[in-house]
Amino acid sequence: QQQVKQSPQSLIVQKGGISIINCAYENTAFDYFPWYQQFPGKGPALLIAIRPDVSEKKEGRFTISFNKSAKQFSLHIMDSQPGDSATYFCAASMARYQGGKLIFGQGTELSVKP
Amino acid sequence: DAGITQSPRHKVTETGTPVTLRCHQTENHRYMYWYRQDPGHGLRLIHYSYGVKDTDKGEVSDGYSVSRSKTEDFLLTLESATSSQTSVYFCAISGQGAAFFGQGTRLTVV
Repeated sequence: QQQVKQSPQSLIVQKGGISIINCAYENTAFDYFPWYQQFPGKGPALLIAIRPDVSEKKEGRFTISFNKSAKQFSLHIMDSQPGDSATYFCAASMARYQGGKLIFGQGTELSVKP
Repeated sequence: DAGITQSPRHKVTETGTPVTLRCHQTENHRYMYWYRQDPGHGLRLIHYSYGVKDTDKGEVSDGYSVSRSKTEDFLLTLESATSSQTSVYFCAISGQGAAFFGQGTRLTVV
C-alpha cells in the first residue's frame, strides 16, 4: 500500500517532442506528489510538485496532471530538449512529514535525441 | 544544493568494518533524512530525524543507525558493513515544504 509505481523505465524522445512519465499510488493518505530530476553524479533536484486539490500544475515546459479518483499522476515535458536527458523520479508523501519522508517510484531514464 | 554537504563523497570499505557518513546543513531545517539509491529501486528511506536527538526508522533501516546531536549534523552509521550496503547514499533536508538533496556518497563494501 506504500508503493509508488512508475512507468516507463526508460524513454527515448526526439527533440521537440512530448515526454510523458506515469505514476500510480495506492495509499489515499498521500497528499503531496513531487517530481525530481537527477543528472548523473548529482543528487535529485525538485522539479515540480502538486497537492491533490488541483488536477494540473504547470511550470514552464513541465506539467503535472493529477487524477485523484484513479490514484495516478503524470509528468509531461513539452518541447523536450537534449538538456532534459536525465532520470526522473515521482514520489509521494503525507504533508505532516513536511514533504521529506518520501516514497519514490523506480525512476525513468529519459533520453532526448537531437 | 540547498546548503547540504555530505562527506565523504566516495568510500571503499571492507566487509565487517564500521562506517559513518556525515550530512551537514546550513539551512537550519528541522527535518533531515538518509536515503539509499539502488538501480531498479529508486530511493528508499533509511532513517529520518525531526529534531535534535529525535530520530525514527524508515523503510530499510536494518543494519543502520543514526544520530543527531546538533541541528546541522545528521550521521548515518553502518555498524558492520555488508556487501548489500554497497549503494549511493543521499542526505535530504526539509523545512516547511519540499525536500532538498545533497550530492550523495558512493559507498562500496568489498
